[in-house]
Amino acid sequence: DAKTTQPPSMDCAEGRAANLPCNHSTISGNEYVYWYRQIHSQGPQYIIHGLKNNETNEMASLIITEDRKSSTLILPHATLRDTAVYYCIAGGYALNFGKGTSLLVTP
Amino acid sequence: GAVVSQHPSWVICKSGTSVKIECRSLDFQATTMFWYRQFPKQSLMLMATSNEGSKATYEQGVEKDKFLINHASLTLSTLTVTSAHPEDSSFYICSARDVVAGWREYDEQYFGPGTRLTVT
Repeated sequence: DAKTTQPPSMDCAEGRAANLPCNHSTISGNEYVYWYRQIHSQGPQYIIHGLKNNETNEMASLIITEDRKSSTLILPHATLRDTAVYYCIAGGYALNFGKGTSLLVTP
Repeated sequence: GAVVSQHPSWVICKSGTSVKIECRSLDFQATTMFWYRQFPKQSLMLMATSNEGSKATYEQGVEKDKFLINHASLTLSTLTVTSAHPEDSSFYICSARDVVAGWREYDEQYFGPGTRLTVT
């Protein structure tokens, strides 16, 4: 799996868009980008994944750069319940979690 | 759909005893399950990959004789921590890979809620 780099923490005001960046400059051509989040003392929750194209689902949007070396997870209207650690993973079979970004959504 | 359960959700045991943790896929079949461990304020660390009907594959540094994994059916994998010690106290999380995902290029895993183990 490719190594990923994320900022350790970010703040976002409730109702605003939260943009979480991830660098995966060593990603290989067949490796997907996955995003999971973990709320304190719970199991990780799947958010979204993508290969080359931008993706959107009911939870978030995923923007992948053309060279696939980085991506951004967008939570369009952050709520207090979105406060969690967000993990960006570039890989395949087994998911290797990095340190993630701790997102704090404030009122 | 795609629900994974773990039992127990928390357990306290005495040093030297063994503890079994169950991971079940409730509404899908999982040929592969993964076991993770998470210490406080740290990320998840993959311990082992468990394939139904075969021996588990352990990550480097994980003692296979201490962490026994059995994946006897397509919906159940168990992790047994043998001769537990206080340093084994951790949050243990399993995930299951939908068998349908076998034909896909990407992986789709579903995580259990975790089991908090405290060894006294």
